[in-house]
Formats: sequence, structure tokens, C-alpha cells
Amino acid sequence: DAGITQSPRYKITETGRQVTLMCHQTWSHSYMFWYRQDLGHGLRLIYYSAAADITDKGEVPDGYVVSRSKTENFPLTLESATRSQTSVYFCASSVGGADTQYFGPGTRLTVL
Amino acid sequence: AQSVAQPEDQVNVAEGNPLTVKCTYSVSGNPYLFWYVQYPNRGLQFLLKYITGDNLVKGSYGFEAEFNKSQTSFHLKKPSALVSDSALYFCAVRDAWAGNNRKLIWGLGTSLAVNP
Repeated sequence: DAGITQSPRYKITETGRQVTLMCHQTWSHSYMFWYRQDLGHGLRLIYYSAAADITDKGEVPDGYVVSRSKTENFPLTLESATRSQTSVYFCASSVGGADTQYFGPGTRLTVL
Repeated sequence: AQSVAQPEDQVNVAEGNPLTVKCTYSVSGNPYLFWYVQYPNRGLQFLLKYITGDNLVKGSYGFEAEFNKSQTSFHLKKPSALVSDSALYFCAVRDAWAGNNRKLIWGLGTSLAVNP
């Protein structure tokens, strides 16, 4: 039972490049979320999705794009990476209802 | 507006002593409340949640939390701390009456250090 996986686990890129972070869950959860974690800011929601083809902005969506063509996948794209997007990115999923979220292991992204 | 506060950035306890990690919240309706733990270089793991019912909620790894509506608090507790409990702890809340708003509001986290 793989649960929720993220790839890559570590990524170094340069300013201006496009980067896509992948998230895959095997539970068929309806909801999926992308967070970034930065010191002093805790977890901040970037985007979330209530179902395939339904996405919505979170607190800090600028500079990010998401899509959800299949229930199990929720990729996050940085269209033109900036140094301020250096962070640890977490994907999560939930059934809905009581909203217990289950997190992936994270992707540590460094933008040089 | 919904909010969560974890008033302590860091908590230090000796192994074997009881521990408490504090969380207070503000929502307009009834709250759904959660505790998560994050070990170094790992994702967050669900510990426990309060939706309704008994104010004392028991969760994983011997943790429990007490919901106090009058004090709008949901403090995490454990009777006897282990060194392996050292981690970052997050409280989160959602307004039960938020309808289609499925977003959780997260605290900034409390770093727990259990000393041998």
C-alpha cells in the first residue's frame, strides 16, 4: 500500500526555470492539497482540489499552477522559479468529511 | 475569521515527565480540531482529532488531547514523555459550518524536545 508519494524528493533548479513536482495517492481520496513549509510560517496552503478537474487557490498561489486530470495525481508546477520559492513542499490528501489529511514525504526544492 | 495559535515555539521536558503542547483556536461555528506530528525530514503524521462527543480524545503513540470549549483550547498531552517524542507538533482547525470550505487553518508548530 503506497499511500501518498511525492517526486522528486530533492530538486535544485535555477531562477526562471519551470519545475513540476509530482504527487500521487493510491487511496482514491477526493481532496488533494499542496502546502509549502518555511521556517517561521508553518504550513501555507498553495492550492487544493476537491475532485478531478476542480481546483482552487489557497493562501499563496502566485507563481504556481496545478492540474488534476486524474483523481490520483495532483502535480504542482512552478512556471518560472524564483528564489523565494525555495522551500519544502508537501502534498496531502483526504476523503473529505472530517478532513483528516494524509501527507506525503515532501519535496525539498532549492532555487538558485 | 478562523485562526489557530500555538503560544509556545518550543517545549522542553524531561523523559518520563508529563508533557503538554498548547493550542487555542478561533472559529465562528463548531470546530474540527487536529493534531499532527512531524519528525525530522518527514511529512506530517496525523495524531488525533476532535469532531464531536467526548472532550478527551485519545490518539496515536499514547497522546491525548482535551477539548475545552469555554477556553477555546485543544491542548495535546502525554502522561510520560519519551525521547522519541521529540518532534514538531502542529495544531489545525476547521470550522464545522464552513460548508464547502475544506481548508484547515494551521498553527505555526511547537518544537518538543524531550531530554534523557
